[in-house]
Amino acid sequence: KAGVTQTPRYLIKTRGQQVTLSCSPISGHRSVSWYQQTPGQGLQFLFEYFSETQRNKGNFPGRFSGRQFSNSRSEMNVSTLELGDSALYLCASSVTLPESETGELFFGEGSRLTVL
Amino acid sequence: AQKITQTQPGMFVQEKEAVTLDCTYDTSDPSYGLFWYKQPSSGEMIFLIYQGSYDQQNATEGRYSLNFQKARKSANLVISASQLGDSAMYFCAMREVLYSSASKIIFGSGTRLSIRP
Repeated sequence: KAGVTQTPRYLIKTRGQQVTLSCSPISGHRSVSWYQQTPGQGLQFLFEYFSETQRNKGNFPGRFSGRQFSNSRSEMNVSTLELGDSALYLCASSVTLPESETGELFFGEGSRLTVL
Repeated sequence: AQKITQTQPGMFVQEKEAVTLDCTYDTSDPSYGLFWYKQPSSGEMIFLIYQGSYDQQNATEGRYSLNFQKARKSANLVISASQLGDSAMYFCAMREVLYSSASKIIFGSGTRLSIRP
């Protein structure tokens, strides 16, 4: 079974630009979560989508948005990029409770964004 | 608010020794799940082990075991017979139950484990 696929793996943008990151979950997983990882803040929860609906949202400004499509693929968008948005963006999919006993997250390799 | 604390930013351990990575958590929810993930330098997060709050026995997965002390709210990861390939960042995580079918997983700050040959 294929794992979680994130594209692009690396990208460089300049301040003020916008970026879209893509995530294809494991087949059969309907929940997709996004995390931002930085050396200073660690892993911060961005949002979670389930059946095309945003169920949970972390404490990030409105510049960060996302969506999920009917095939469970998800995208996240960051508009008006700032230097502090440089990070590894991780996508994870899961089988939600109660279908899964543990509900663990299966992560992709991440998209590393550098903002200059 | 629920919180995960990992107090060891970094650890050095001799190969073949056992190592314990500390994790404490704070939650008022009686039902929760605890996870440990490994992140090698490649960046991918690898699920290691899970402990449910109602599980009576400590979870084990191969060389990994979770020392779950519910009253102390601790969930330490024990790696037996460490190997060079165990060098990585390790994250403790907890599932917050938001409502019946929705939850989110929050992570601690991580411990960087380095295995010396």
